[in-house]
Amino acid sequence: GAVVSQHPSRVICKSGTSVKIECRSLDFQATTMFWYRQFPKQSLMLMATSNEGSKATYEQGVEKDKFLINHASLTLSTLTVTSAHPEDSSFYICSARLRTGVGTEAFFGQGTRLTVV
Amino acid sequence: AQRVTQPEKLLSVFKGAPVELKCNYSYSGSPELFWYVQYSRQRLQLLLRHISRESIKGFTADLNKGETSFHLKKPFAQEEDSAMYYCAPASSGGYNKLIFGAGTRLAVHP
Repeated sequence: GAVVSQHPSRVICKSGTSVKIECRSLDFQATTMFWYRQFPKQSLMLMATSNEGSKATYEQGVEKDKFLINHASLTLSTLTVTSAHPEDSSFYICSARLRTGVGTEAFFGQGTRLTVV
Repeated sequence: AQRVTQPEKLLSVFKGAPVELKCNYSYSGSPELFWYVQYSRQRLQLLLRHISRESIKGFTADLNKGETSFHLKKPFAQEEDSAMYYCAPASSGGYNKLIFGAGTRLAVHP
């Protein structure tokens, strides 16, 4: 099946610094990717839809200036957590959808655990 | 508003028992419906989708538009089925973004 890869898988940063997370579709092109956030023992919360060559679409309540998304190519989307604070510590997951023979299927990255100290 | 409800946080059964993980949705239009599974220390992966009407690993799910439900069922649970299960509708148009339910943890005991 298709593979979506995230980097890094874990990152620890100091409060006030920015962190960039990469999401790559390894063997297919993805005009649209999605970024989710998952708190411990909770479900995935959709943060934003990343569109290649255009601005990302953010879900209600998600600060676009805080979570900068760039989708510069058909295989790469990046999420930058700017001026990170401890409350931004979370598990961030990206996904890309691929059209298959019976509709579409979303493939997920392995996630990035961000810890802000 | 788009909403998906998985009422059970935890479903605990013994091996060989039937399981039913409930999912109800409230969605405008005609969403595609999916079940995703997350095994321990693994990434989310697709289990099945309603348009395929398939059985994967013994699991089936029937879309009931009248009740707006998409419950996941398996007649005989196995220990390896222990995982987190998420019901996820996707909008049929636009970006097809997936919205996840709260998830149900299935624990199958020997």
